[in-house]
Amino acid sequence: EVQLVESGGGVVQPGGSLRLSCAASGFTFDDYAMHWVRQAPGKGLEWVSLISGDGGSTYYADSVKGRFTISRDNSKNSLYLQMNSLRTEDTALYYCAKDIRALGVAPDYWGQGTLVTVSS
Amino acid sequence: DIVMTQTPLSLSVTPGQPASISCKSSQSLLHSDGKTYLYWYLQKPGQPPQLLIYEVSNRFSGVPDRFSGSGSGTDFTLKISRVEAEDVGVYYCMQSIQLPPLTFGGGTKVEIK
Repeated sequence: EVQLVESGGGVVQPGGSLRLSCAASGFTFDDYAMHWVRQAPGKGLEWVSLISGDGGSTYYADSVKGRFTISRDNSKNSLYLQMNSLRTEDTALYYCAKDIRALGVAPDYWGQGTLVTVSS
Repeated sequence: DIVMTQTPLSLSVTPGQPASISCKSSQSLLHSDGKTYLYWYLQKPGQPPQLLIYEVSNRFSGVPDRFSGSGSGTDFTLKISRVEAEDVGVYYCMQSIQLPPLTFGGGTKVEIK
């Protein structure tokens, strides 16, 4: 059974940093690309970032480019999102999601999410 | 960026009746590899999204056959043949032909009458 468990969310002031983690199990982690997708309170889904199965390719939404960094440790079956220079508009529930394929096509399984609140 | 437009915004359906959701993309989602990169998700209340349909018309593992997807190019439809109480939630379409970014539609909220 695929399981994705996010952690690391919390309350941070504007301009601050957070590092999100996602622990994966139930599948061969390095065979699949991984995504971060966020959902602001009461709003729709916004894709944030993607990393290929081998970690060699990364992609970002314009809204986070230059501030967020996606990475993975295949030896630990873990995905990360380093978030710097946080803004109030980054407040959202952040989901980790497994891709259907290795290179990044679409999320299939999603975690329960971790809440990030950016507020002074 | 490719814009995904869903209609209607909300739908109230009697159990056992059909429902249909439309999704239009601002550019064709047909790739040169022959695949069309259009997906449907359902987000039930208080839960993360779950994949229903991939590449227009393929049901994901465990998805009931009352769900079906159709369409081509820029126009797509998700149909529920007989709505059940467990189908309530927000439905999203998503494209991945142009990445980055993946883009989602605004969502269609389905309620039971």
